[in-house]
Amino acid sequence: DQQVKQNSPSLSVQEGRISILNCDYTNSMFDYFLWYKKYPAEGPTFLISISSIKDKNEDGRFTVFLNKSAKHLSLHIVPSQPGDSAVYFCAASVPGGYQKVTFGIGTKLQVIP
Amino acid sequence: NAGVMQNPRHLVRRRGQEARLRCSPMKGHSHVYWYRQLPEEGLKFMVYLQKENIIDESGMPKERFSAEFPKEGPSILRIQQVVRGDSAAYFCASSEGLQETQYFGPGTRLLVL
Repeated sequence: DQQVKQNSPSLSVQEGRISILNCDYTNSMFDYFLWYKKYPAEGPTFLISISSIKDKNEDGRFTVFLNKSAKHLSLHIVPSQPGDSAVYFCAASVPGGYQKVTFGIGTKLQVIP
Repeated sequence: NAGVMQNPRHLVRRRGQEARLRCSPMKGHSHVYWYRQLPEEGLKFMVYLQKENIIDESGMPKERFSAEFPKEGPSILRIQQVVRGDSAAYFCASSEGLQETQYFGPGTRLLVL
């Protein structure tokens, strides 16, 4: 049962344009959401997060939007750069105790120069 | 401050052998998490440990898999009598506190022949 879903396995975007990566979740108990970026042969790197009490969080070129009623979040990268080419994992955790993270399957982003 | 270290980076084992994967958390981090990524899938939580204690092993297969995080030294994920289905990338992450961001190591890629 996939509780965090990333339905687009890949995405290609022109350099300088906006990249929008989408994520849906099914578990209503999730209250904290994260995006990780992963390059080949490396571990995931934390990118940005958002608590369920917010609907937007921004960090430089990266913005995450959360729509709780739709159980949907998205990551916007603007402007996109070739170095952003990587696999992006959406992840979520439930409240209480430690951060037990559930990951999506990932979306491979290619930014074309 | 060195990041999370994992070794070996690549490990080849024949069916029936044992695999030992090591993880040294970031300095000052006492929380360690192990994840497994099967081909074409997202990362799946396996186990969460604090020094000398297994806190949550709900994601770990009941047989052949064990984990420890001793008072001194790295965390060890041990897989006994490996089978081909154990071939995967195994990632370790560490955090400073319960709800703090998890930082990932580069992973160990296990191949079972």
